[in-house]
Amino acid sequence: DAGITQSPRYKITETGRQVTLMCHQTWSHSYMFWYRQDLGHGLRLIYYSAAADITDKGEVPDGYVVSRSKTENFPLTLESATRSQTSVYFCASSLLGGSATEAFFGQGTRLTVV
Amino acid sequence: AQSVTQLGSHVSVSEGALVLLRCNYSSSVPPYLFWYVQYPNQGLQLLLKYTSAATLVKGINGFEAEFKKSETSFHLTKPSAHMSDAAEYFCAVSAGGSQGNLIFGKGTKLSVKP
Repeated sequence: DAGITQSPRYKITETGRQVTLMCHQTWSHSYMFWYRQDLGHGLRLIYYSAAADITDKGEVPDGYVVSRSKTENFPLTLESATRSQTSVYFCASSLLGGSATEAFFGQGTRLTVV
Repeated sequence: AQSVTQLGSHVSVSEGALVLLRCNYSSSVPPYLFWYVQYPNQGLQLLLKYTSAATLVKGINGFEAEFKKSETSFHLTKPSAHMSDAAEYFCAVSAGGSQGNLIFGKGTKLSVKP
């Protein structure tokens, strides 16, 4: 199906484990983003990517790693999960990086770190 | 730096009443502004966006927003609330430059009473 899909939708992991959240888009959008959503904070940018092999930090990058070897995929890895990383994670994409371009969001991944 | 403030984390209206969700922005450059809606357990969906073409912007589901530069505001309105409008609403401003990401407010949860 066309669009942007995230997997898994729900994940429970233990403190200290590595976990990877997947994001795939079928539009060939240049830009992709990872946000986390926490109560009282809205959405905060973790990392973004302007194109394949180009990534950069957002507002809250500590503890996360991203890669983008292909335009359509933008996985987010928590190298050693901590309880503070319990959150809902959203992947998004946009056609261009210009200011007027809206972002399209995936359904989200609810991650619980125990 | 760009920022967005949403006044009221929770707004409750009766079905058929006016919906008014407030958003004020701060931007060092002419802003591009967005309203997104999030239904329970779903991703964010674009309601409307302001890109300087017109100060009154009409969106989906009967929502509209008016850009007021003098007040640095971009409030979201709907003349008559419907039960299906119950959701969380996010105002966002484009970060500008080459980043391409959006900076979100903390969200306003709208409840609609029968």
